[in-house]
Amino acid sequence: GENVEQHPSTLSVQEGDSAVIKCTYSDSASNYFPWYKQELGKRPQLIIDIRSNVGEKKDQRIAVTLNKTAKHFSLHITETQPEDSAVYFCAASMNAGKSTFGDGTTLTVKP
Amino acid sequence: DAGVIQSPRHEVTEMGQEVTLRCKPISGHDYLFWYRQTMMRGLELLIYFNNNVPIDDSGMPEDRFSAKMPNASFSTLKIQPSEPRDSAVYFCASSRTKYNEQFFGPGTRLTVL
Repeated sequence: GENVEQHPSTLSVQEGDSAVIKCTYSDSASNYFPWYKQELGKRPQLIIDIRSNVGEKKDQRIAVTLNKTAKHFSLHITETQPEDSAVYFCAASMNAGKSTFGDGTTLTVKP
Repeated sequence: DAGVIQSPRHEVTEMGQEVTLRCKPISGHDYLFWYRQTMMRGLELLIYFNNNVPIDDSGMPEDRFSAKMPNASFSTLKIQPSEPRDSAVYFCASSRTKYNEQFFGPGTRLTVL
């Protein structure tokens, strides 16, 4: 089955700096890559996603890049703010609809 | 739409008791997923349904766990008998198609004493 590895497990940045979280996946058939943000005690919520026919996608301060050859994708957050502090999960999904999640990255943005 | 609804939000039970978690997906969503989240194991997919039919239950830990989806608006996850290691937050999620965002419910925090 699919295996998703996520790094780093924890990340601390100063407010205003950029944050990058990286994921690798094992199954080349995966074609949908969402990123979820989970605040403490709350549910995961989608922040951005990318499909295999696209190499990059941006939404304001958030961007995701995908390298299908290398089987890795990354989340980029620019101009970080304290409210960006949360756990971020990447996931990889194939046509069947099943998503495999990474172990999560705890991002702390220091004011 | 009210989003994905789960009940109860919190459940405390004793080892050996039966536990039933409930989920109402977003109307019109064809996919329903059950996840378990713990500090040790992260977010694990237990089982998912497409049009009320179980597609993949390979994540169900053991025979003590069972899930049903009798209709498009209701699903249950049952643990019988429950054990302390089942303590976790259980999320239900739904999506419109297999290519779409999954919307998570608020979760049920289960504590088995």
